[in-house]
Amino acid sequence: QVTLRESGPALVKPTQTLTLTCTFSGFSLSTSGMCVSWVRQPPGKALEWLALIHWDDDKYYSTSLKTRLTISKDTSKNQVVLTMTNMDPVDTATYYCARKTYYYETSGYYDAFDIWGQGTMVTVSS
Amino acid sequence: EIVMTQSPATLSVSPGERATLSCRASQSVNNNLAWYQQKPGQAPRLLIYGASTRATGIPARFSGSGSGTEFTLTISSLQSEDFAVYYCQQCNNWPLTFGGGTKVEIK
Repeated sequence: QVTLRESGPALVKPTQTLTLTCTFSGFSLSTSGMCVSWVRQPPGKALEWLALIHWDDDKYYSTSLKTRLTISKDTSKNQVVLTMTNMDPVDTATYYCARKTYYYETSGYYDAFDIWGQGTMVTVSS
Repeated sequence: EIVMTQSPATLSVSPGERATLSCRASQSVNNNLAWYQQKPGQAPRLLIYGASTRATGIPARFSGSGSGTEFTLTISSLQSEDFAVYYCQQCNNWPLTFGGGTKVEIK
């Protein structure tokens, strides 16, 4: 059974750095094709993709947030860590981690986030 | 960056009726398009990948269609548990992007 669980502070102050950890089980990030991503959702708003790390340590970031984000992995601990610098109240959101899976079909190969964590709410306030 | 536009923002449908949700990409995503369902207080759940393939365990009343830049999610006969917010996502180009969502509510 594949599971992911987010952990981190529920409250951070403006200008501080947020560090979130995604701890997963049921798969290994050292396996070819495996990826873990972070997605956030401000209260009452839409999903926003943040960052993704591949099994081979290749990393991708949101264009608008790339200067503030760092994603990393610890394969031995089955963890992916996201840091976001210079937090602002507009960064208040539920932060999710999710596994991205590749699907091979006769028409081609496709990607999707097949398993999600429950999410962790982060409030930015002084 | 590919912009994903969903319409309508809210869809009011009676139980048992058909719901049709639209998703448009600002450029072709080569059918690398996924749909998710999200209920209040829950994480999103994958419904469809590759524009038209149902994920494991997803009921047959959910179907996806479309290609290139225009995609549709159809729920053939709405059940009470289907009232939720639905998001499309393109996985073809970096950065990955989501649509703004369509809320399906009870009429």
